[in-house]
Amino acid sequence: GAGVSQSPSNKVTEKGKDVELRCDPISGHTALYWYRQSLGQGLEFLIYFQGNSAPDKSGLPSDRFSAERTGGSVSTLTIQRTQQEDSAVYLCASSYDRGTDTQYFGPGTRLTVL
Amino acid sequence: AQSVTQLGSHVSVSEGALVLLRCNYSSSVPPYLFWYVQYPNQGLQLLLKYTSAATLVKGINGFEAEFKKSETSFHLTKPSAHMSDAAEYFCAVSDASGTYKYIFGTGTRLKVLA
Repeated sequence: GAGVSQSPSNKVTEKGKDVELRCDPISGHTALYWYRQSLGQGLEFLIYFQGNSAPDKSGLPSDRFSAERTGGSVSTLTIQRTQQEDSAVYLCASSYDRGTDTQYFGPGTRLTVL
Repeated sequence: AQSVTQLGSHVSVSEGALVLLRCNYSSSVPPYLFWYVQYPNQGLQLLLKYTSAATLVKGINGFEAEFKKSETSFHLTKPSAHMSDAAEYFCAVSDASGTYKYIFGTGTRLKVLA
């Protein structure tokens, strides 16, 4: 079956612009996670969704970052007023449920802020 | 707080030689542990996971890992390296506080020499 998909695969933007990153999880997966992979910080958790609610937003680095999930499926990560330090690969993962269920990762969106 | 330490950011082995990638974790509760592999410009692919069943876990592509509670380790091994094993490997522990988000190590880049 189809895996986790993310779009766009690459995004180049200018400092100060807003960007939206999209994640389509595996059908039927209730849990959805966003992570960020950057040279200086490695792989770090951003936000967790269970259904449409986000009980854990503890990894969002600033109030410029927000995310939503609709219909228990697609999720959008929005970064407002992008800064150069936001440049990273943003990875989305989904699992059937949380707990021992494996998280399946998408290919990521590479964001470059000029 | 849970954490993961991967010793050696870069490891080089000859083709056919033993691969050993080290991972140590800290967790106040029985952990769920994972090894993922990342090929260039791709997402993360699960190699294997430990979820409190057998302590020796076999994964894909001939990899295995042994959970050693006394040493708080979960090292990844493969008896004979292949050129196609060259990639970056990440160890992760699942946060059992409720969201089961992953906490990743800093990664080990494996180079296989002909």
